[in-house]
Amino acid sequence: SQELEQSPQSLIVQEGKNLTINCTSSKTLYGLYWYKQKYGEGLIFLMMLQKGGEEKSHEKITAKLDEKKQQSSLHITASQPSHAGIYLCGAVLIQGAQKLVFGQGTRLTINP
Amino acid sequence: EAEVAQSPRYKITEKSQAVAFWCDPISGHATLYWYRQILGQGPELLVQFQDESVVDDSQLPKDRFSAERLKGVDSTLKIQPAELGDSAMYLCASSSVYSGSSGANVLTFGAGSRLTVL
Repeated sequence: SQELEQSPQSLIVQEGKNLTINCTSSKTLYGLYWYKQKYGEGLIFLMMLQKGGEEKSHEKITAKLDEKKQQSSLHITASQPSHAGIYLCGAVLIQGAQKLVFGQGTRLTINP
Repeated sequence: EAEVAQSPRYKITEKSQAVAFWCDPISGHATLYWYRQILGQGPELLVQFQDESVVDDSQLPKDRFSAERLKGVDSTLKIQPAELGDSAMYLCASSSVYSGSSGANVLTFGAGSRLTVL
């Protein structure tokens, strides 16, 4: 079974709408990282969360970490075509291991 | 801005052939990772190096895959012989954080090498 589960697996939204992607871990989180990937390309780092209750924002993207629930959410406000792509959460699941385990990704499509 | 370099970007090969991928991490980054990403899935760690030493290769299919980082800088991932199921994106990443240390560890990824096995 997947140690990190993302939902939904795919999402189609109209430009200008808000959306949320969730990432849930079956294990304790020692760091949660959000990346974006355009089709056929490498991963681009978005944000990192380390402490329970932590919330970070960059432009129109906000990420939150609920340590007790072992989950994180990524929220995009007023979506734009440039937000389209695959969003991946990665996590450190073994303290000090410094390797990321990834979810299966959420494919986001923005319709004009 | 510093980048992780990978080559080739695309490789098409026939099954049973040998294939190799090269990665040059960001200068000074001690830790180097090779991930495999099958279409529609998230990346899966194949091997993690700290300097020239292997830290984790538990998911590397060692009967056909090998990886080396001889001088602790650039790295090569080899597949011999390639199988149809090896078709995937091979991603290299690097970070400045040492294994075993606490704190943030942002991995910087290269553009990837897409392998198609016919």
